[in-house]
Amino acid sequence: GQSLEQPSEVTAVEGAIVQINCTYQTSGFYGLSWYQQHDGGAPTFLSYNALDGLEETGRFSSFLSRSDSYGYLLLQELQMKDSASYFCAVRGGYQKVTFGTGTKLQVIP
Amino acid sequence: GAVVSQHPSRVICKSGTSVKIECRSLDFQATTMFWYRQFPKQSLMLMATSNEGSKATYEQGVEKDKFLINHASLTLSTLTVTSAHPEDSSFYICSARKTGGSYNEQFFGPGTRLTVL
Repeated sequence: GQSLEQPSEVTAVEGAIVQINCTYQTSGFYGLSWYQQHDGGAPTFLSYNALDGLEETGRFSSFLSRSDSYGYLLLQELQMKDSASYFCAVRGGYQKVTFGTGTKLQVIP
Repeated sequence: GAVVSQHPSRVICKSGTSVKIECRSLDFQATTMFWYRQFPKQSLMLMATSNEGSKATYEQGVEKDKFLINHASLTLSTLTVTSAHPEDSSFYICSARKTGGSYNEQFFGPGTRLTVL
Protein backbone atom coordinates (compact mmCIF):
# COMPACT_ATOMS: atom_id res chain seq x y z
CA GLY A 1 0.00 0.00 0.00
CA GLN A 2 0.84 3.65 -0.02
CA SER A 3 1.10 6.07 2.89
CA LEU A 4 2.33 9.64 2.93
CA GLU A 5 2.78 11.80 5.98
CA GLN A 6 2.93 15.57 6.25
CA PRO A 7 2.64 18.02 9.11
CA SER A 8 -0.99 18.98 9.57
CA GLU A 9 -0.46 22.71 9.99
CA VAL A 10 2.28 25.26 9.47
CA THR A 11 2.22 28.98 10.20
CA ALA A 12 4.72 31.41 8.68
CA VAL A 13 5.16 35.14 8.32
CA GLU A 14 4.65 37.00 5.07
CA GLY A 15 7.93 37.36 3.22
CA ALA A 16 9.54 34.43 5.00
CA ILE A 17 10.51 30.97 3.78
CA VAL A 18 8.66 27.81 4.76
CA GLN A 19 9.42 24.14 4.15
CA ILE A 20 6.72 21.47 4.10
CA ASN A 21 8.01 17.93 4.50
CA CYS A 22 6.60 14.70 3.17
CA THR A 23 7.67 11.16 3.99
CA TYR A 24 6.26 8.23 2.12
CA GLN A 25 6.04 4.47 2.11
CA THR A 26 4.97 3.02 -1.19
CA SER A 27 4.94 -0.27 -3.01
CA GLY A 28 5.78 1.42 -6.29
CA PHE A 29 7.31 4.80 -6.96
CA TYR A 30 7.66 6.86 -10.09
CA GLY A 31 7.77 10.33 -8.62
CA LEU A 32 6.57 12.84 -6.04
CA SER A 33 4.23 15.69 -6.89
CA TRP A 34 2.99 18.68 -4.97
CA TYR A 35 -0.45 20.25 -5.22
CA GLN A 36 -1.96 23.40 -3.77
CA GLN A 37 -5.60 23.60 -2.76
CA HIS A 38 -7.39 26.69 -1.51
CA ASP A 39 -10.46 26.22 0.67
CA GLY A 40 -13.40 25.02 -1.41
CA GLY A 41 -11.31 24.85 -4.56
CA ALA A 42 -9.70 22.21 -6.73
CA PRO A 43 -6.10 21.10 -6.33
CA THR A 44 -3.62 22.68 -8.70
CA PHE A 45 -0.37 21.10 -9.75
CA LEU A 46 2.80 22.77 -8.48
CA SER A 47 5.74 20.49 -9.19
CA TYR A 48 7.02 16.99 -9.81
CA ASN A 49 10.26 15.21 -8.88
CA ALA A 50 11.21 11.89 -10.40
CA LEU A 51 14.91 12.08 -9.57
CA ASP A 52 16.81 13.09 -6.47
CA GLY A 53 17.52 16.75 -6.09
CA LEU A 54 15.94 20.14 -6.15
CA GLU A 55 13.52 21.44 -8.78
CA GLU A 56 12.90 25.18 -8.80
CA THR A 57 9.88 26.94 -10.25
CA GLY A 58 9.77 30.59 -9.33
CA ARG A 59 9.15 31.03 -5.63
CA PHE A 60 8.45 27.33 -5.19
CA SER A 61 11.06 24.58 -5.06
CA SER A 62 10.63 20.87 -4.48
CA PHE A 63 13.19 18.37 -3.30
CA LEU A 64 13.30 14.59 -3.42
CA SER A 65 15.50 11.97 -1.82
CA ARG A 66 14.45 8.54 -3.03
CA SER A 67 16.83 6.74 -0.71
CA ASP A 68 15.23 8.44 2.28
CA SER A 69 11.66 8.27 0.91
CA TYR A 70 11.45 11.95 1.66
CA GLY A 71 10.68 15.16 -0.08
CA TYR A 72 9.81 18.73 0.70
CA LEU A 73 8.21 21.78 -0.80
CA LEU A 74 9.96 25.08 -0.21
CA LEU A 75 8.03 28.30 -0.53
CA GLN A 76 10.01 31.52 -0.60
CA GLU A 77 8.96 35.16 -0.25
CA LEU A 78 5.67 34.04 1.21
CA GLN A 79 2.59 35.96 0.22
CA MET A 80 -0.82 36.03 1.89
CA LYS A 81 -2.30 34.27 -1.14
CA ASP A 82 -0.06 31.28 -0.42
CA SER A 83 -2.33 30.41 2.51
CA ALA A 84 -3.77 27.08 1.40
CA SER A 85 -3.44 23.36 1.89
CA TYR A 86 -0.51 21.64 0.26
CA PHE A 87 -0.52 17.97 -0.63
CA CYS A 88 2.33 15.74 -1.64
CA ALA A 89 1.37 12.87 -3.90
CA VAL A 90 3.15 9.75 -5.06
CA ARG A 91 2.71 8.38 -8.54
CA GLY A 92 2.78 4.62 -8.42
CA GLY A 93 1.94 1.96 -10.93
CA TYR A 94 -0.97 2.19 -13.39
CA GLN A 95 -0.85 6.01 -13.25
CA LYS A 96 -2.29 5.87 -9.75
CA VAL A 97 -1.62 8.91 -7.61
CA THR A 98 -1.91 8.70 -3.84
CA PHE A 99 -2.22 11.93 -1.92
CA GLY A 100 -0.68 12.76 1.43
CA THR A 101 -2.58 13.96 4.45
CA GLY A 102 -2.13 17.59 3.51
CA THR A 103 -0.53 20.55 5.27
CA LYS A 104 -2.56 23.65 5.98
CA LEU A 105 -0.29 26.67 5.59
CA GLN A 106 -1.32 29.91 7.20
CA VAL A 107 0.61 33.02 6.22
CA ILE A 108 0.36 35.82 8.73
CA PRO A 109 1.28 39.51 8.29
CA GLY B 1 -5.20 25.10 -21.92
CA ALA B 2 -6.03 22.06 -19.76
CA VAL B 3 -9.35 23.06 -18.27
CA VAL B 4 -11.57 20.51 -16.58
CA SER B 5 -15.15 21.27 -15.69
CA GLN B 6 -17.59 19.48 -13.43
CA HIS B 7 -21.34 19.68 -13.34
CA PRO B 8 -23.13 20.30 -11.13
CA SER B 9 -20.99 22.25 -8.70
CA ARG B 10 -23.40 21.62 -5.87
CA VAL B 11 -26.24 19.18 -5.47
CA ILE B 12 -28.61 18.42 -2.65
CA CYS B 13 -30.70 15.30 -2.89
CA LYS B 14 -32.91 13.10 -0.78
CA SER B 15 -31.72 9.82 0.60
CA GLY B 16 -32.33 6.97 -1.80
CA THR B 17 -32.06 8.98 -4.99
CA SER B 18 -29.29 8.79 -7.57
CA VAL B 19 -27.05 11.65 -8.58
CA LYS B 20 -24.95 11.96 -11.72
CA ILE B 21 -21.81 14.09 -11.80
CA GLU B 22 -20.16 14.98 -15.09
CA CYS B 23 -16.47 15.63 -15.62
CA ARG B 24 -15.38 17.20 -18.91
CA SER B 25 -12.00 18.08 -20.32
CA LEU B 26 -12.77 21.24 -22.26
CA ASP B 27 -9.69 21.78 -24.39
CA PHE B 28 -7.89 18.46 -24.47
CA GLN B 29 -8.56 14.78 -24.81
CA ALA B 30 -8.30 12.60 -21.77
CA THR B 31 -8.00 8.86 -22.15
CA THR B 32 -7.78 8.56 -18.40
CA MET B 33 -9.74 10.38 -15.74
CA PHE B 34 -9.75 9.90 -12.00
CA TRP B 35 -12.47 10.30 -9.41
CA TYR B 36 -11.67 11.37 -5.87
CA ARG B 37 -13.68 12.18 -2.81
CA GLN B 38 -12.60 14.53 -0.10
CA PHE B 39 -14.09 14.92 3.34
CA PRO B 40 -13.72 18.24 5.15
CA LYS B 41 -10.14 19.00 6.14
CA GLN B 42 -8.99 15.63 4.82
CA SER B 43 -6.98 14.44 1.88
CA LEU B 44 -8.20 13.35 -1.51
CA MET B 45 -9.03 9.68 -1.64
CA LEU B 46 -8.89 8.01 -5.03
CA MET B 47 -12.11 6.17 -5.75
CA ALA B 48 -11.54 4.90 -9.24
CA THR B 49 -9.60 5.28 -12.44
CA SER B 50 -11.75 5.79 -15.50
CA ASN B 51 -10.47 4.74 -18.91
CA GLU B 52 -12.21 5.70 -22.12
CA GLY B 53 -13.95 2.77 -23.69
CA SER B 54 -13.29 0.31 -20.90
CA LYS B 55 -14.42 -0.51 -17.40
CA ALA B 56 -13.27 1.65 -14.54
CA THR B 57 -10.77 0.36 -12.02
CA TYR B 58 -12.03 0.81 -8.50
CA GLU B 59 -9.94 1.20 -5.37
CA GLN B 60 -10.29 -1.24 -2.56
CA GLY B 61 -13.36 -0.56 -0.47
CA VAL B 62 -15.20 1.41 -3.16
CA GLU B 63 -18.42 -0.28 -4.27
CA LYS B 64 -18.58 -0.33 -8.04
CA ASP B 65 -22.33 -0.93 -8.03
CA LYS B 66 -22.88 2.14 -5.89
CA PHE B 67 -20.51 4.45 -7.71
CA LEU B 68 -21.10 3.87 -11.40
CA ILE B 69 -18.51 5.32 -13.71
CA ASN B 70 -18.87 5.75 -17.44
CA HIS B 71 -16.17 7.15 -19.70
CA ALA B 72 -17.86 7.09 -23.06
CA SER B 73 -15.74 9.68 -24.84
CA LEU B 74 -12.29 11.22 -24.66
CA THR B 75 -13.68 14.33 -23.02
CA LEU B 76 -16.38 13.07 -20.68
CA SER B 77 -16.56 10.83 -17.67
CA THR B 78 -19.57 10.51 -15.40
CA LEU B 79 -19.92 9.33 -11.83
CA THR B 80 -23.36 8.24 -10.67
CA VAL B 81 -23.93 7.84 -6.97
CA THR B 82 -26.78 5.36 -6.76
CA SER B 83 -29.20 5.19 -3.85
CA ALA B 84 -27.36 7.98 -2.09
CA HIS B 85 -27.26 8.09 1.70
CA PRO B 86 -26.17 10.85 4.07
CA GLU B 87 -22.76 9.21 4.53
CA ASP B 88 -22.16 9.75 0.80
CA SER B 89 -22.19 13.49 1.38
CA SER B 90 -18.76 14.69 0.34
CA PHE B 91 -16.75 16.75 -2.11
CA TYR B 92 -16.25 14.76 -5.30
CA ILE B 93 -13.38 15.84 -7.54
CA CYS B 94 -12.38 14.52 -10.91
CA SER B 95 -9.07 14.90 -12.65
CA ALA B 96 -7.88 14.17 -16.14
CA ARG B 97 -4.60 13.27 -17.72
CA LYS B 98 -3.96 14.49 -21.23
CA THR B 99 -3.91 11.76 -23.83
CA GLY B 100 -0.27 11.35 -24.73
CA GLY B 101 0.71 13.80 -22.03
CA SER B 102 2.84 13.48 -18.96
CA TYR B 103 1.90 10.80 -16.48
CA ASN B 104 2.96 13.16 -13.76
CA GLU B 105 0.38 15.87 -14.12
CA GLN B 106 -3.33 15.69 -13.54
CA PHE B 107 -5.71 18.55 -14.16
CA PHE B 108 -8.46 18.81 -11.61
CA GLY B 109 -12.04 19.87 -11.98
CA PRO B 110 -13.55 22.39 -9.54
CA GLY B 111 -15.35 19.66 -7.62
CA THR B 112 -18.95 18.82 -6.84
CA ARG B 113 -20.29 19.16 -3.34
CA LEU B 114 -22.92 16.52 -2.69
CA THR B 115 -25.26 16.79 0.26
CA VAL B 116 -27.62 13.91 0.91
CA LEU B 117 -30.48 14.69 3.27
